[in-house]
Amino acid sequence: EAGVTQFPSHSVIEKGQTVTLRCDPISGHDNLYWYRRVMGKEIKFLLHFVKESKQDESGMPNNRFLAERTGGTYSTLKVQPAELEDSGVYFCASTRQVNTEAFFGQGTRLTVV
Amino acid sequence: GQQVMQIPQYQHVQEGEDFTTYCNSSTTLSNIQWYKQRPGGHPVFLIQLVKSGEVKKQKRLTFQFGEAKKNSSLHITATQTTDVGTYFCGVGSGTYKYIFGTGTRLKVLA
Repeated sequence: EAGVTQFPSHSVIEKGQTVTLRCDPISGHDNLYWYRRVMGKEIKFLLHFVKESKQDESGMPNNRFLAERTGGTYSTLKVQPAELEDSGVYFCASTRQVNTEAFFGQGTRLTVV
Repeated sequence: GQQVMQIPQYQHVQEGEDFTTYCNSSTTLSNIQWYKQRPGGHPVFLIQLVKSGEVKKQKRLTFQFGEAKKNSSLHITATQTTDVGTYFCGVGSGTYKYIFGTGTRLKVLA
């Protein structure tokens, strides 16, 4: 069984540019989560999809962040325009059911310069 | 909103010493999970605790869920250099959201 995959693994962009991160969850996992870890600190919740529906996006920092999961398969997280404080590692995780083992992707390290 | 705190934030131990991290929630939990993230890696699931007072062991790791289901601990006996990393507890918050504690970064000195 393939794990959660994220693309790209690294991205360096200039302030004001746009970046789109992609996450492919494990097949059959309806729940998809986005998290961000900044400078080795806590893993901060961003949002949660159940299939294609956003169940909770209370962790999204502001309207520069847009997440989609069309068709309930892979998800994208777009940052537009990027700011310096958006730098960090963005993790995606998927679960078969809520409150079960979460499988994390390798993360995308985003650096905004 | 619900808060999950972990202590300590950092811990340096000599190889062979024991290590414990604590996870404390402001609300009663239905379950709690523990994850380990190696430096440069991604969080990897270790275990889930569900029952009040539950204790589970994985080799040198002992996990405990508090009687009131508001706290949990992870204890490592005789640490090894392979135990280095950040240990996170994870809890369900609300109906669907799943949040993580602040993490405890463990460094093992050989």
